[in-house]
Amino acid sequence: EDKVVQSPLSLVVHEGDTVTLNCSYEVTNFRSLLWYKQEKKAPTFLFMLTSSGIEKKSGRLSSILDKKELFSILNITATQTGDSAVYLCAVETSGSRLTFGEGTQLTVNP
Amino acid sequence: KAGVTQTPRYLIKTRGQQVTLSCSPISGHRSVSWYQQTPGQGLQFLFEYFSETQRNKGNFPGRFSGRQFSNSRSEMNVSTLELGDSALYLCASSPSGQGYGYTFGSGTRLTVV
Repeated sequence: EDKVVQSPLSLVVHEGDTVTLNCSYEVTNFRSLLWYKQEKKAPTFLFMLTSSGIEKKSGRLSSILDKKELFSILNITATQTGDSAVYLCAVETSGSRLTFGEGTQLTVNP
Repeated sequence: KAGVTQTPRYLIKTRGQQVTLSCSPISGHRSVSWYQQTPGQGLQFLFEYFSETQRNKGNFPGRFSGRQFSNSRSEMNVSTLELGDSALYLCASSPSGQGYGYTFGSGTRLTVV
């Protein structure tokens, strides 16, 4: 059975801190790994990673994938209160199926 | 460019009833997937449709069904509702699935009483 595990499940930081969110996976027929941010309802797309070692960046957020060790990290630098959300890691397998981790609840305090 | 539209936004139903949820994908997207999100189980895959055909199905009972129309709009039906079906139902659209990323709608919050 495909499995995605995220850690930590919950994180509280102060504005300006840097955070690292972890995602490990055990799946068959890996196609890609995706990160989403969920604030209220719709998860919003952050990154899609398919190749090992290539960092993707968007502003203060960055992510990298290690297909040998089967994990990915999402970094957020200089955190802001608007970064408070649940961050979801999902692995896409064949058949267009996404298997999600439990999510990391990030709270950024002023 | 319009996003993924789900209707209705909220729904309250009684045990034993049935319900139909609707999802309109981004224009040009032909793949629509459905997910159930609950506090205890997180996001779980229900099924995926592409060009009116179900390509993949998750581990849900047969009470959960869906379909896709020729304009790519999709509906999901749950029959004989149970209290445990209370959840946020999200749909996601993609140009063709696999490898193109998925854009989620805001979901339908279903409460079964």
